[in-house]
Amino acid sequence: GAGVSQSPSNKVTEKGKDVELRCDPISGHTALYWYRQSLGQGLEFLIYFQGNSAPDKSGLPSDRFSAERTGGSVSTLTIQRTQQEDSAVYLCASSGGANEKLFFGSGTQLSVL
Amino acid sequence: AQSVTQLGSHVSVSEGALVLLRCNYSSSVPPYLFWYVQYPNQGLQLLLKYTTGATLVKGINGFEAEFKKSETSFHLTKPSAHMSDAAEYFCAVSRRAGANSKLTFGKGITLSVRP
Repeated sequence: GAGVSQSPSNKVTEKGKDVELRCDPISGHTALYWYRQSLGQGLEFLIYFQGNSAPDKSGLPSDRFSAERTGGSVSTLTIQRTQQEDSAVYLCASSGGANEKLFFGSGTQLSVL
Repeated sequence: AQSVTQLGSHVSVSEGALVLLRCNYSSSVPPYLFWYVQYPNQGLQLLLKYTTGATLVKGINGFEAEFKKSETSFHLTKPSAHMSDAAEYFCAVSRRAGANSKLTFGKGITLSVRP
C-alpha cells in the first residue's frame, strides 16, 4: 500500500489476555518504530528497528511487551497478560532511514477491560 | 540521552494572532529537530525539520521554526493563526549521527484557535 498500515484499528480485550498488533510499513523503508500514545503523555517510544541492526528495545515498559520484525518488513507488537494501564493508542511509523521523515500509521486503539 | 520539553499542554489563540509553541531539547550530541502535527482524527505528519545549515526552517502551512543552540530551543511559530491550525503539535529530537538515531518526542501541545 501507499502508507503505513496497522491492524486492527481497534482492539478490546480482557485483562490478562495476550494481544498482537500488526504494522505493515511502507515498502522499502528500513526504519520502523513503535510508539504508545496515552492521553496527556505524548508519544512514548517503545522500540526501534533499523535495517539489520539489533533493535533498540529501551522503551519497552516491561517484559510483557515484545516486538519482532520479520524479513525486514512487517512488525508485530505483542503484549502478554494485558493490564488496564496498557490501554492506549499504539502507533507504528516507518522511514527510509535514520533521521528521515517518519510516516505514521493510523494506530491501534487498545482497550483493556 | 536526549529529551524534549514542551511546556504547558494547551495553547489558545485568536484567529489571525501569532502562534508560538515552545520546545526545548537536551542532547549530548548535535541534534536533528522536528515538529510533527496531528490533526483531529488523523495520523501524525511532519511539519518541518532542522538538520544542518540555515537555522530558520520553513515548513508546511506557513509554519517555521528557528534552531537556537545557545538556548537549546526550537520554537514553532506562525504569524497568523487559522482555524484549520487547531491540532496537537509534537516537537522531537534525534541524534545527528550514529546508527541509533531514534526519534524522541515531547508530550505535545494542543493548539486551539478562537474565531
